[in-house]
Amino acid sequence: GESVGLHLPTLSVQEGDNSIINCAYSNSASDYFIWYKQESGKGPQFIIDIRSNMDKRQGQRVTVLLNKTVKHLSLQIAATQPGDSAVYFCAEANQAGTALIFGKGTTLSVSS
Amino acid sequence: GAGVSQSPRYKVAKRGQDVALRCDPISGHVSLFWYQQALGQGPEFLTYFQNEAQLDKSGLPSDRFFAERPEGSVSTLKIQRTQQEDSAVYLCASSLVFRGGDNEQFFGPGTRLTVL
Repeated sequence: GESVGLHLPTLSVQEGDNSIINCAYSNSASDYFIWYKQESGKGPQFIIDIRSNMDKRQGQRVTVLLNKTVKHLSLQIAATQPGDSAVYFCAEANQAGTALIFGKGTTLSVSS
Repeated sequence: GAGVSQSPRYKVAKRGQDVALRCDPISGHVSLFWYQQALGQGPEFLTYFQNEAQLDKSGLPSDRFFAERPEGSVSTLKIQRTQQEDSAVYLCASSLVFRGGDNEQFFGPGTRLTVL
């Protein structure tokens, strides 16, 4: 079946460090991947997305890497700030393109 | 600018009551999604609308769950005869394009439903 998972439930870093959050997916036919940030009491907020015809995509302080060979997705956050503290979810589109399938999430804690 | 809004933000229901949760998507967004998020978990897909057509309802957990979007804008998720296991945050998302499942979805703040 289709599923998306994450390697670590929590990640603690110091302010200014670079953070890497990892995600494994199971469907080799998946075409679209997305990272969301969710703060307590709020809905998920878009960070960055990537399609399967790309290996890397960069945004402001964030980079998403896609390794289709091992079905692995990662989110890199440069110069992590306390405001980056949240739960991060990776998700993939289902094959019908009608839904996102979310993993369980990684809680990022940034200490100053 | 206006994002996705949901109401109520919090709802407490007694077991067996019916509830209705409202979603106002971003104006002009074709695709609308409902997700259920249990505590400590990622959102799980419930149903998808393309304009007023409900194209995918494979995630609805039982026939007690019903969703509609009659005019292709506002959507309502209705849960009949609520059970304790229905307690969760219900998230609505919208997307500008058709086949919005593989494009950026904009999420609302969610409705936290607690069934006593």
